[in-house]
Amino acid sequence: ELKVEQNPLFLSMQEGKNYTIYCNYSTTSDRLYWYRQDPGKSLESLFVLLSNGAVKQEGRLMASLDTKARLSTLHITAAVHDLSATYFCAVDIRSGTYKYIFGTGTRLKVLA
Amino acid sequence: AAGVIQSPRHLIKEKRETATLKCYPIPRHDTVYWYQQGPGQDPQFLISFYEKMQSDKGSIPDRFSAQQFSDYHSELNMSSLELGDSALYFCASSPYDGGYEQYFGPGTRLTVT
Repeated sequence: ELKVEQNPLFLSMQEGKNYTIYCNYSTTSDRLYWYRQDPGKSLESLFVLLSNGAVKQEGRLMASLDTKARLSTLHITAAVHDLSATYFCAVDIRSGTYKYIFGTGTRLKVLA
Repeated sequence: AAGVIQSPRHLIKEKRETATLKCYPIPRHDTVYWYQQGPGQDPQFLISFYEKMQSDKGSIPDRFSAQQFSDYHSELNMSSLELGDSALYFCASSPYDGGYEQYFGPGTRLTVT
């Protein structure tokens, strides 16, 4: 059974600090997705990583994928309060269609 | 750009009642997925459809059923509702031809009292 684990589950950090969220998965996959979710809201796509070594950056967020280690990271640079949200990684499995298996989520709180 | 549409956005039902959630995929997307997200949990895959046929099934209770119609919209029917069915229900769509990336709708919040 595919498992997708994130750590930490909760993260409280000061504005201006850097931190990394880790996403480990238990089966081979060449694709990984990162989403942001605000409370009670939908899933906002942040990054789609399609191959080993993929690195993408958008603003203060940078994501990378190491398919050999089955590891993805989401790095936060100089955090600001607006980044407070829950972040999910997801891996797809093809079983007919491509279903997503989501990680446990990381609840990030950036303190002003 | 057109997005996935879900209706209703909020729904309140009592125990043992029935609920129907609707999903309208992005135009020219022929694959639809349903996910359930309980409070404080990650989204869980329920069921998917391709070209109006059920393609894959996850942890969907027997009380739930779903289908995809000729215009590709999908409906999730939930009967004998339980308190534990209270959750956010997301629909996502993708184009099947190489379509691994899913586009999520805004979700329907179901509250069972």
